[in-house]
Amino acid sequence: EVQLVESGGGLVKPGSSLKLSCVASGFTFSSYGMHWIRQAPKKGLEWITLIYYDSSNKYYADSVKGRFTISRDNSKNTLYLEMNSLRSEDTAMYYCAKGPFWFAYWGQGTLVTVSS
Amino acid sequence: EIVLTQSPTTMAASPGEKVTLTCRASSSVTYMHWYQQRSGTSPKLWIYETSKLASGIPNRFSGSGSGTSYSLTINSMETEDAATYYCQQGSSYPYTFGAGTKLELK
Repeated sequence: EVQLVESGGGLVKPGSSLKLSCVASGFTFSSYGMHWIRQAPKKGLEWITLIYYDSSNKYYADSVKGRFTISRDNSKNTLYLEMNSLRSEDTAMYYCAKGPFWFAYWGQGTLVTVSS
Repeated sequence: EIVLTQSPTTMAASPGEKVTLTCRASSSVTYMHWYQQRSGTSPKLWIYETSKLASGIPNRFSGSGSGTSYSLTINSMETEDAATYYCQQGSSYPYTFGAGTKLELK
């Protein structure tokens, strides 16, 4: 059974940093591109970043480019999202999802709240 | 960036009614994918590569389309189908989602 479990969310102040993790199981993690997708409260879904299976390529939405960094550790079956210079508009549920072109599996999400 | 426009934004359907949700892309895409999200839960893949049902999805659902126009159809609405449906393209970066169609039970 495929499982994706996110962690690391919380309440932080504007301008601060946070690092999210997503532990994968039930599939060969090292063979798949992985994504982070977020959903602001009562809003729709926003794709924010992708990392190839071997970390050779990474893509970002303009809204997070230069502030967020995606990475992975295939030896630990873990995906990461490092978020810097957080803004109130980054407040959202953050999901990791198995790729590459569509999102077959999603985690339960981890909530990030940016507020002073 | 490819913008996906879903219509209608909200609709209500009676049990047994046929329902069609549409998604229009600002540029041509190779495939469209669809997700269902119920309140308070993670989205679930519903249809991928335009017309393929994800595992466990009932066959009253179908998907079709090409180029810039796609649709998701429910042959006969059931109570459990009330949810928000999102379309998504993975043809070019950045990947994008439509704003969603909220389907309610009448």
